[in-house]
Amino acid sequence: NAGVMQNPRHLVRRRGQEARLRCSPMKGHSHVYWYRQLPEEGLKFMVYLQKENIIDESGMPKERFSAEFPKEGPSILRIQQVVRGDSAAYFCASSPDRGTYNEQFFGPGTRLTVL
Amino acid sequence: KNQVEQSPQSLIILEGKNCTLQCNYTVSPFSNLRWYKQDTGRGPVSLTIMTFSENTKSNGRYTATLDADTKQSSLHITASQLSDSASYICVVTPLGGSYIPTFGRGTSLIVHP
Repeated sequence: NAGVMQNPRHLVRRRGQEARLRCSPMKGHSHVYWYRQLPEEGLKFMVYLQKENIIDESGMPKERFSAEFPKEGPSILRIQQVVRGDSAAYFCASSPDRGTYNEQFFGPGTRLTVL
Repeated sequence: KNQVEQSPQSLIILEGKNCTLQCNYTVSPFSNLRWYKQDTGRGPVSLTIMTFSENTKSNGRYTATLDADTKQSSLHITASQLSDSASYICVVTPLGGSYIPTFGRGTSLIVHP
């Protein structure tokens, strides 16, 4: 059973370009969470999705950021018109359900560098 | 505002020694508290999980304790190994709502030979 997969592992973009980060949850998991980790900072929650639904996007910046988790295929975190401040590690986690005891399994992360 | 504070920020110890990491939180009511280990360049991996009714949980050389009254948790590492060098993150999940966890900044542990 493969773990949470994220790609690409490293992504370099110039200011103004778009960044697309992909996350494939563990087999059997239908809940996906995206987090951002700035250098020397803790992980910050961005968005929580189930298949075809955004459950909680309270941590997502209002502009330029969007996320989806389609019925088929990976979850996508999209950042439009990237700026230098978007440079960070973006982690995806998945869980089998929403229960209070649910464990989130993390992927290896995508390190985004904006030049 | 829910907060999770960890101390120390960084710690250097010699191989074979024990150490204790601290976590204070304000999340209330809370569902569970986890300790994660994050190796450099990797995603966090869960070490222990405790609900509010549990006082201690062990996983090999890792032992976590929880005092729900004082809202404090600690992670004790016994007989440290070089591979224990990593960031250790305390994570508290609230009860109710979307169950979105709050992460501490982590304690960076370096184990020297």
